[in-house]
Amino acid sequence: GQQVMQIPQYQHVQEGEDFTTYCNSSTTLSNIQWYKQRPGGHPVFLIQLVKSGEVKKQKRLTFQFGEAKKNSSLHITATQTTDVGTYFCAGPSWGGGNKLTFGTGTQLKVEL
Amino acid sequence: ETGVTQTPRHLVMGMTNKKSLKCEQHLGHNAMYWYKQSAKKPLELMFVYNFKEQTENNSVPSRFSPECPNSSHLFLHLHTLQPEDSALYLCASSQGSYNEQFFGPGTRLTVL
Repeated sequence: GQQVMQIPQYQHVQEGEDFTTYCNSSTTLSNIQWYKQRPGGHPVFLIQLVKSGEVKKQKRLTFQFGEAKKNSSLHITATQTTDVGTYFCAGPSWGGGNKLTFGTGTQLKVEL
Repeated sequence: ETGVTQTPRHLVMGMTNKKSLKCEQHLGHNAMYWYKQSAKKPLELMFVYNFKEQTENNSVPSRFSPECPNSSHLFLHLHTLQPEDSALYLCASSQGSYNEQFFGPGTRLTVL
C-alpha cells in the first residue's frame, strides 16, 4: 500500500536555528498537505500544494512540492519556541477514495 | 476553534464496558473521519463517511463500531476493548475528497 515517510523523526534545535522536515511518498500525489500538532493538541492544517515544483511561504515557513510530486519539504527559518510540535505531511491515497495518508511525522523541539 | 467538537475529552473504561464517542461538525462538510493516534505512531485512519455513507473501513476490529446518522454527527461505539486500544481518538471533517481536514480536540481513551 501507499506509504508516506518523513525524516527526521525527531529534531532538537536551539532557538534561532533553521529546521527542515522532508516528506517522501511511494506514489505520485495529486497534492500534498501539511499539518501541525502542538503537544497535547490536535492536527491543524497549515497549507496545501498542488502544482509540480510549487513553493509557498507563510512568514518563516517555506513549503515545497517536488517536481515529480512524490516528495515535499517544510523549512522553518529562525525557529521560535512557538514552533514546537509535530509536523505531518499528508496526501490523497493512491487509487482515489475520500481519504488522506498521513506521514510518520517529525517532532520538533526548540530549546532556548 | 469550535468547528469540530468531540465528547468526552477523556474516558477511562474497563475491558467489559460499553461506551460511545461523539463528534459533531459545524462546518457544513460532507465527509467525516475517525483516526486513532497512539504514542509514537502516525495517524491511523479508521473509518470514512461521505454523505453519511461509510466509504472506508481500514481493517478495524469489530469492537469499534461507527455510526453516522447525518452529515454533522459521527459516533464511535466501543465494546470489549483491549488495553492496547488506549490512544487519542480524533474526529475530522472535510468538504470533498482532497481538501483540508479539520480535526476535533480528540478523546483521550484509557482502557484498564
